[in-house]
Amino acid sequence: EVQVVESGGGLVQPGGSLRLSCAASGFTGADKYMTWVRQAPGKGLEWVSTFDSGVSAYYADSVKGRFTISRHNSENTLYLQMNSLRVEDTAVYYCTTKGVWGQGTTVTV
Amino acid sequence: DIQMTQSPSSLSASVGDRVTITCRASQGIRNDLGWYQQKPGKAPKRLIYGASSLQNGVPSRFSGSGSGTEFTLTISSLQPEDFATYYCLQYNSYPWTFGQGTKVDVK
Repeated sequence: EVQVVESGGGLVQPGGSLRLSCAASGFTGADKYMTWVRQAPGKGLEWVSTFDSGVSAYYADSVKGRFTISRHNSENTLYLQMNSLRVEDTAVYYCTTKGVWGQGTTVTV
Repeated sequence: DIQMTQSPSSLSASVGDRVTITCRASQGIRNDLGWYQQKPGKAPKRLIYGASSLQNGVPSRFSGSGSGTEFTLTISSLQPEDFATYYCLQYNSYPWTFGQGTKVDVK
């Protein structure tokens, strides 16, 4: 069974840091894209960052310079290092690959 | 950045109704568009990718069409489990962008 599981969320003070992890399992072959999407309370979906073809990283303007996406290919694991966190970063953070989404991990700043 | 304008923002419908949701892109995105369903408190679920390809396991009452700048999600006969919020996502160019969502509720 294909599965995506996020972890690492929590409560942090403004200016603090968190590292989110995403473990993907049950897939045959890696996806070209592994992506983080977030959803602030009562709001719509917001794309955050994508690791593309295992080479390039892309970010939303709202997180550029503060968040860093990385990937551990052999473990099919994705990370999101979040620094200089702001109140407006409060959201549920979802990881998605090959059309499968995790259950999300909550970040409260 | 490519803006995705989704309409309507909400609609009320009955079981058995045909429902259509539209997304317009501010510039051409070929067919690099997906549709997602989200229920309260749950993760989004991908229904359609490549504008018209049905995700494995998704009922055939869901269909997607369009290319370039105008796209449509159609539910041919609304079922009780389809009351939810729907989003489009363009992944043609970075930054990827979502539509603002369409909430489908009971008439």
